[in-house]
Amino acid sequence: GAVVSQHPSWVICKSGTSVKIECRSLDFQATTMFWYRQFPKQSLMLMATSNEGSKATYEQGVEKDKFLINHASLTLSTLTVTSAHPEDSSFYICSATAQGEENYGYTFGSGTRLTVV
Amino acid sequence: GNSVTQMEGPVTLSEEAFLTINCTYTATGYPSLFWYVQYPGEGLQLLLKATKADDKGSNKGFEATYRKETTSFHLEKGSVQVSDSAVYFCALEPGSNYKLTFGKGTLLTVNP
Repeated sequence: GAVVSQHPSWVICKSGTSVKIECRSLDFQATTMFWYRQFPKQSLMLMATSNEGSKATYEQGVEKDKFLINHASLTLSTLTVTSAHPEDSSFYICSATAQGEENYGYTFGSGTRLTVV
Repeated sequence: GNSVTQMEGPVTLSEEAFLTINCTYTATGYPSLFWYVQYPGEGLQLLLKATKADDKGSNKGFEATYRKETTSFHLEKGSVQVSDSAVYFCALEPGSNYKLTFGKGTLLTVNP
């Protein structure tokens, strides 16, 4: 079945530094990738949608300059949290889909726990 | 807009008990409906889905039926196991923009 690999699974960084999270579709071409943020004991909040080769579409209230998303190929999307602060600490999850391919649906990565100290 | 409402947890059951987690939705058109499961510290895994009214999704003993008349997609399992302990999310996809809308999740704990 479809597999999405997300790395790193956890990261601790100092306040003011940037962190990059990778999301790779291993056995299919992901035309669209999604980035979510999940707060403790809460649902997933969609941050942005990215299509290969084009700029990401951010949800209302998400700072595009802080959360940089790049989808340079059909198998890789990256989320960079720039100038991270403690309030950015969260669980970030990516998902990927191959539009038009019903069998793939939405495949989720295993998530990245970001802690900013 | 689209929304998903699912019963708030946590839900605590004994092994072999019957499970129901309610889910209702609001959407225009004919969305696809999903149940996802999240084990501690992990991402989401698709548990089952239904794409049209009266469809029944099933997997690993879990079932849910797409009820358009009641706009519901309740999750059921006849006999839960300790390994079913996880957070369960109901979600819909409107079919027009490939964006999923999630419910808030229900934490299920099954005790031996």
